[in-house]
Amino acid sequence: GAVVSQHPSWVICKSGTSVKIECRSLDFQATTMFWYRQFPKQSLMLMATSNEGSKATYEQGVEKDKFLINHASLTLSTLTVTSAHPEDSSFYICSAKSATNYGYTFGSGTRLTVV
Amino acid sequence: GENVEQHPSTLSVQEGDSAVIKCTYSDSASNYFPWYKQELGKRPQLIIDIRSNVGEKKDQRIAVTLNKTAKHFSLHITETQPEDSAVYFCAASVDGNNRLAFGKGNQVVVIP
Repeated sequence: GAVVSQHPSWVICKSGTSVKIECRSLDFQATTMFWYRQFPKQSLMLMATSNEGSKATYEQGVEKDKFLINHASLTLSTLTVTSAHPEDSSFYICSAKSATNYGYTFGSGTRLTVV
Repeated sequence: GENVEQHPSTLSVQEGDSAVIKCTYSDSASNYFPWYKQELGKRPQLIIDIRSNVGEKKDQRIAVTLNKTAKHFSLHITETQPEDSAVYFCAASVDGNNRLAFGKGNQVVVIP
């Protein structure tokens, strides 16, 4: 079945630094990638949607200059948290969708802790 | 935009009993309704999904029913087992099936 690899699985960084999270679709072409943030005991909150080769569409309230998304190829999308602050600590998950399948495949998630 | 409501927020059942989780949605254009199971610290796992041209779908102990007129869909788990304990999220497609709107989740606890 469809597989999305997400790295790193966890990361600890200092305030003010940047962190890059990668999601790769291993056996299908991810024409659309979704990035979510999930706080403890809460639902998945969509941050942005990106289509390969296009600029990402951000949800209301999500700072595009803080959460940089790149989707330069059909198999790779990255989320960079810039100038991270403790309040950015969360579980970040990507989800990929192909043009030929209506299903969504989730990455394994990245636990970000900003100290 | 789409608003997905999920009830109840927590559900405890005795092992072997059935569990039912209900979701309502607001956008009549939604046509895809997946259910995800998420264990602590792990990714959501698709357990069953249904499209709007079908009223019911079953996969072993898991079933989903959809009532498009009333805009609600339900997850049914029969013969529950301790490993069914997890958080379950419903979702509905938005914007022509490009995005998903998620419910708030339901913590299911199966008591041995």
